[in-house]
Amino acid sequence: GDSVTQMEGPVTLSEEAFLTINCTYTATGYPSLFWYVQYPGEGLQLLLKATKADDKGSNKGFEATYRKETTSFHLEKGSVQVSDSAVYFCALSDLGNTGKLIFGQGTTLQVKP
Amino acid sequence: EAQVTQNPRYLITVTGKKLTVTCSQNMNHEYMSWYRQDPGLGLRQIYYSMNVEVTDKGDVPEGYKVSRKEKRNFPLILESPSPNQTSLYFCASIQRESSYNSPLHFGNGTRLTVT
Repeated sequence: GDSVTQMEGPVTLSEEAFLTINCTYTATGYPSLFWYVQYPGEGLQLLLKATKADDKGSNKGFEATYRKETTSFHLEKGSVQVSDSAVYFCALSDLGNTGKLIFGQGTTLQVKP
Repeated sequence: EAQVTQNPRYLITVTGKKLTVTCSQNMNHEYMSWYRQDPGLGLRQIYYSMNVEVTDKGDVPEGYKVSRKEKRNFPLILESPSPNQTSLYFCASIQRESSYNSPLHFGNGTRLTVT
């Protein structure tokens, strides 16, 4: 079945460091891909999305490119801030076909001043 | 304000005592879903509903029930809770016709502890 695999955390970085969180997926169809962020004590909220191969999603300085050839959707940011500390989830959406939205296990990011 | 509302936010109960977690959305979304979040396991889907009176099992449905009598409400029922159902639960909704490129709207979560 469809699945999403994220790099294990926690990831600890200093402010202004470069961030990469790896995400790979397996899917039988052509899903949409999302990154969600969860700040402490809150629900998940959308960070960015890509709906087809080679699309690049971007928001708040974060970027991710839908790579069909490597089945990847890695999250990157050039210069992280303390306020970026959160849990990040990669997700695959096949709601239109199977009703499924599948999440990775989440990666905790801690940014130190 | 468009939102998904879950209640309660925190719940401590004992094994075997039936409980219901409510979920309501005010966006007229057809699709609603329940997830549980556990450390190292991400979010796993419990049940989902494509529309009123239509519900389907997700990946971890055992020990849970749901109903969808009205479009706005999707309660999660634990008939006989057990300690392995201690978790953080999220309800979410989305408009089906735009689901391919629209995000899920999440509630703020319910932290359940079963002793």
